[in-house]
Amino acid sequence: QSALTQPRSVSGSPGQSVTISCTGTNSDVGAYNYVSWYQHHPGTAPKLMIYDVSKRPSGVPDRFSGSKSGNTASLTISGLQAEDEADYYCCSFAGSYTILIFGGGTKLTVL
Amino acid sequence: QVQLVESGGGVVQPGGSLRLSCAGSGFTFSGHSMHWVRQSPGKGLEWLTFIRYDGSDRYYADSVKGRFTISRDNSKSTLYLQMNSLRTDDTAVYHCAADTAMGRFDYWGQGTLVTVSS
Repeated sequence: QSALTQPRSVSGSPGQSVTISCTGTNSDVGAYNYVSWYQHHPGTAPKLMIYDVSKRPSGVPDRFSGSKSGNTASLTISGLQAEDEADYYCCSFAGSYTILIFGGGTKLTVL
Repeated sequence: QVQLVESGGGVVQPGGSLRLSCAGSGFTFSGHSMHWVRQSPGKGLEWLTFIRYDGSDRYYADSVKGRFTISRDNSKSTLYLQMNSLRTDDTAVYHCAADTAMGRFDYWGQGTLVTVSS
């Protein structure tokens, strides 16, 4: 199964908002509310930012929010800060055969 | 403090084998299902395999099915990945991750680099 589709890069200035999309199919994103988002600084361990489409783990700022419409999930980061600059990956449950599938990743640049 | 520490990476020739380990601490390892996820150079994250908390179920991505085997020893809080018939496109940083629910990877290791090259 192919990776979920994410834009390769997005950018924004400090204080602005950006949205990263994650498009799948009606066999993964569209079929289950098990979409998660991870922040990854290369060379470090990825960090869970959103799970179950829109839930935030404790310790994740409420500037990070998630949503889903049809086969597309989205991660919105408001009030951009320099430390938000990283790669972001979506992940979706895809059923009992494929199990899990990641997006190709989006590089966020804070200008 | 939760820690997942991978080890066992290195350089191996095509067709060779390697066994990765992932030692967990700071949390109840036996209560979490575990996964291996890799990142090839210049590419994104790729889910590889899953083992249920008690070892009762295992699943594999098509790219590694039949070549890789996941296992765990809860008495040692350690996860393993036996990799056989390695190919050059298996070159990647391999991360282990613990989940709380399917697709919710709460804890990650920093990864261990596997290079498959002649």
